[in-house]
Amino acid sequence: DAKTTQPPSMDCAEGRAANLPCNHSTISGNEYVYWYRQIHSQGPQYIIHGLKNNETNEMASLIITEDRKSSTLILPHATLRDTAVYYCIVLNSGNTPLVFGKGTRLSVIA
Amino acid sequence: AAGVIQSPRHLIKEKRETATLKCYPIPRHDTVYWYQQGPGQDPQFLISFYEKMQSDKGSIPDRFSAQQFSDYHSELNMSSLELGDSALYFCASRRGYNEQFFGPGTRLTVL
Repeated sequence: DAKTTQPPSMDCAEGRAANLPCNHSTISGNEYVYWYRQIHSQGPQYIIHGLKNNETNEMASLIITEDRKSSTLILPHATLRDTAVYYCIVLNSGNTPLVFGKGTRLSVIA
Repeated sequence: AAGVIQSPRHLIKEKRETATLKCYPIPRHDTVYWYQQGPGQDPQFLISFYEKMQSDKGSIPDRFSAQQFSDYHSELNMSSLELGDSALYFCASRRGYNEQFFGPGTRLTVL
């Protein structure tokens, strides 16, 4: 599976959009980009995933560049409850286990 | 909606003792994963089962074993516990090629 690079930490003001970048320059054609988050000591939570096209669900939007070498997770209106470590993970869509990198620690500030 | 259930939620053991952690996946989920998260670390994959057969193996110590039963629940057995085994242990389940759903975790403390 391709490796990912994320900034170690970010701050975001409550109510503003949080844009979390991820670099995955070695991604191969059949690999998806998945985003999970972990709120302090809770089980990781699935957010969204995509292959080529941009995706949106009730939690977030995922923007994938045309060359697929990077992506951005967007939380449109961050709340204090969005404070968590966000993990960008690249893997194929089989039964592959998740490989967690260092992630980005997002702090939403009132 | 039903979630992944893990028991116990907290467990305290002495060194060299054994521990058994249980995971009950979401109904109709056919794959179970075990992850270990040490203090201040990111989750690390241990082992997984698909339809009751071991499917992938990660950095699981030889002192640990696991299995998935006919009702799809899974147990992680840990023997000769060491201080370094103190961690959060998460179980996750998935159905087909969908995303993984994680349980709340079991916090194991080895004294």
